[in-house]
Amino acid sequence: SAVISQKPSRDICQRGTSLTIQCQVDSQVTMMFWYRQQPGQSLTLIATANQGSEATYESGFVIDKFPISRPNLTFSTLTVSNMSPEDSSIYLCSAGQGVFSYEQYFGPGTRLTVT
Amino acid sequence: SQQGEEDPQALSIQEGENATMNCSYKTSINNLQWYRQNSGRGLVHLILIRSNEREKHSGRLRVTLDTSKKSSSLLITASRAADTASYFCATDAKYGGSQGNLIFGKGTKLSVKP
Repeated sequence: SAVISQKPSRDICQRGTSLTIQCQVDSQVTMMFWYRQQPGQSLTLIATANQGSEATYESGFVIDKFPISRPNLTFSTLTVSNMSPEDSSIYLCSAGQGVFSYEQYFGPGTRLTVT
Repeated sequence: SQQGEEDPQALSIQEGENATMNCSYKTSINNLQWYRQNSGRGLVHLILIRSNEREKHSGRLRVTLDTSKKSSSLLITASRAADTASYFCATDAKYGGSQGNLIFGKGTKLSVKP
């Protein structure tokens, strides 16, 4: 298993600003993912964070809005750019081993409110 | 795209009763997983069942998988107030560009009253 921490745990941001969320894993992992969970909803995959290359984004998510970095096998960041109230969500980082994700371990999430 | 759909959306039971949640999905999968999320927190992995398995147990949890019906159920026996949470199924696509990524269902909100 892996223990995942995220920073910040929550933030209140103004419209038009950007926030960078950090995800730290306590061991090296093959796969890291970023999800969004809007209030009362399920999780939607934003992108797969690839080590040493550009992230792979899901339909409806673009790099300009959600730039992602993954400089090594234990760390990744997600930036929510030019925020609007519609970006208010919980953002979760997860990690998995192997080429396929199989079992994923989740961080505690970052609760973002945009005013 | 394939997506797990849980039912019921909400379930309220008394402590000690069993809780059953169901999940349906649309396409072939490698495996199906169940996760729990306490209010406003991260997800906790509960159990993974592979496509060639029919039933799996872990403590008070029992998961079944019927690939012919593309459905799964999660049974929590002798429920406790601490089981109050949202439960999500997640599937791992067997084919296609999203292979390896998890697709989450909408979740069942379980409330266990003491």
